[in-house]
Amino acid sequence: GDSVTQMEGPVTLSEEAFLTINCTYTATGYPSLFWYVQYPGEGLQLLLKATKADDKGSNKGFEATYRKETTSFHLEKGSVQVSDSAVYFCALSRTTDSWGKLQFGAGTQVVVTP
Amino acid sequence: DVKVTQSSRYLVKRTGEKVFLECVQDMDHENMFWYRQDPGLGLRLIYFSYDVKMKEKGDIPEGYSVSREKKERFSLILESASTNQTSMYLCASGDSQNTEAFFGQGTRLTVV
Repeated sequence: GDSVTQMEGPVTLSEEAFLTINCTYTATGYPSLFWYVQYPGEGLQLLLKATKADDKGSNKGFEATYRKETTSFHLEKGSVQVSDSAVYFCALSRTTDSWGKLQFGAGTQVVVTP
Repeated sequence: DVKVTQSSRYLVKRTGEKVFLECVQDMDHENMFWYRQDPGLGLRLIYFSYDVKMKEKGDIPEGYSVSREKKERFSLILESASTNQTSMYLCASGDSQNTEAFFGQGTRLTVV
């Protein structure tokens, strides 16, 4: 079945450091790929998405590129802030799925220190 | 502002109790979902619904049931709560184009 694997956390960084969170997936066909973020005490919110190969999603300084050849969707940010401390989830949904069910990775906690 | 609202942020229930978790969305979305979030496991789909009175099992439906009597409301029911159902429960909704899922703030359920 479909699966998403992302790097384990916690990832601890200093403010203004470069952030990368690796995400790889296994799926048949051509899934859509997402990054969701969960700030402390809150539900998940969509950070960015890509629906086809070579698409780049971007939002709030974060970027991720859909790489079909490596089945990856790594999240990057050039200069993190303390406010980026959160748990980040990589997820996929099948384009053949008409209901938008999401398959999530385990989540990566990111801690940014001043 | 779009909103998915879960009725409780925290619940403590006893083993064997029947537990209802309520979720309401104001976006007129067709699809609604219940996920369970556990450390190291991410989110796992329990049940989803694509229309009023329609439901489908997700990946971990055992011990749960759902109800969708109105389009905006989707309830998760634990028929007889057990300690292994202690978890964070997240409700989500999405439109038929599957452009994005919107999540509620979560209900942290503790079964003692």
